Amino acid sequence: GQQLNQSPQSMFIQEGEDVSMNCTSSSIFNTWLWYKQDPGEGPVLLIALYKAGELTSNGRLTAQFGITRKDSFLNISASIPSDVGIYFCAGPTGANNLFFGTGTRLTVIP
Amino acid sequence: NAGVTQTPKFQVLKTGQSMTLQCAQDMNHEYMSWYRQDPGMGLRLIHYSVGAGITDQGEVPNGYNVSRSTTEDFPLRLLSAAPSQTSVYFCASSYSPESYNEQFFGPGTRLTVL
Repeated sequence: GQQLNQSPQSMFIQEGEDVSMNCTSSSIFNTWLWYKQDPGEGPVLLIALYKAGELTSNGRLTAQFGITRKDSFLNISASIPSDVGIYFCAGPTGANNLFFGTGTRLTVIP
Repeated sequence: NAGVTQTPKFQVLKTGQSMTLQCAQDMNHEYMSWYRQDPGMGLRLIHYSVGAGITDQGEVPNGYNVSRSTTEDFPLRLLSAAPSQTSVYFCASSYSPESYNEQFFGPGTRLTVL
């Protein structure tokens, strides 16, 4: 079946450090989405990517759509305590429903 | 707009009990969906609806029923709760299935089945 694997599973970083995480798929996606889930809340969309090779920024966040269309990357620069949460990648299935990755849990130490 | 609302926020059931998780949106969205979130597994799609009167199964539909009698509401029913259904449940809505930039998630219902 379809799989979206995210790595690392969890990260502990110092405030001010940069963060990199990635998502790899067993199949090709035409759209990649990155979500953040704050503790006790539902996911919120951060960045959407629609073209292979695309690089898109949203403030301190930058995401890239891998050229193979089987991977995507998310970077966070100069992390702050409110970056804490779980980051999910997701992509649409054939029925246009979203398939989510396993998540990367980020902890920022002040 | 209240966005997507879910009730209750927390629920404890005994095995075999039934209950309905409520989801409502006030954005006139056609597409609504239910996910469950389990540790280390991300969000998995249970059921979805592309409009009033139309529902379909997602990745993990067994043990759950849905109906969509109005555009605003999309309740999820557990007919006979099992411990394996202990999870956090999220409802989401968007104008259409492809409206990823406009998909909103509710705050979730944390369900424990004893």
